[in-house]
Amino acid sequence: EAGVTQFPSHSVIEKGQTVTLRCDPISGHDNLYWYRRVMGKEIKFLLHFVKESKQDESGMPNNRFLAERTGGTYSTLKVQPAELEDSGVYFCASSQLLRAPYSGANVLTFGAGSRLTVL
Amino acid sequence: AQSVTQPDIHITVSEGASLELRCNYSYGATPYLFWYVQSPGQGLQLLLKYFSGDTLVQGIKGFEAEFKRSQSSFNLRKPSVHWSDAAEYFCAVGEWDGNEKLTFGTGTRLTIIP
Repeated sequence: EAGVTQFPSHSVIEKGQTVTLRCDPISGHDNLYWYRRVMGKEIKFLLHFVKESKQDESGMPNNRFLAERTGGTYSTLKVQPAELEDSGVYFCASSQLLRAPYSGANVLTFGAGSRLTVL
Repeated sequence: AQSVTQPDIHITVSEGASLELRCNYSYGATPYLFWYVQSPGQGLQLLLKYFSGDTLVQGIKGFEAEFKRSQSSFNLRKPSVHWSDAAEYFCAVGEWDGNEKLTFGTGTRLTIIP
């Protein structure tokens, strides 16, 4: 089974430019998550899709970040305009949608990440 | 709010030596706990997880972790490390309501010396 795929693996842009990151989850996984790791810090939750709907976007830092998941398959995360503090590694993860009665917590499968460098 | 502390930013051990990576968490209810590993150029790979039951959990690559509720800890151990274990290790706690999101620690980078 193919894993979670992220593109690009590394992007270098200048402050003020726009970047779009893409994530292809495992086929059939309705849950899709975006996380971010800023240099030396912890990996932080950004948002969670269930199919095409945003379930939780409490971790999105500001309105320069826009995530979409049209059709409930792949997702994009756009940063516009990019700032220096947006540099970091952006991880995507997916999991199956659990239904009640729940027998335990789910497990996320992560992609390799997209490294963003803003100069 | 939940939090995870990994007090060791960087650990160096000799190949063949034993390893223990520390993880402490803060969570109001019964936690779901995970250890992930990231090797260079790779994604985050799940090493092991604790949901309930036996507090000693076995994972892949010869790793194990022990959940100690009284100490709010979930330390990762391996009796004998291999050069291929050099990577960054992340402890995480799950907030589970049917579909989880994770709170991670800052990670511990492991270097193996011959």
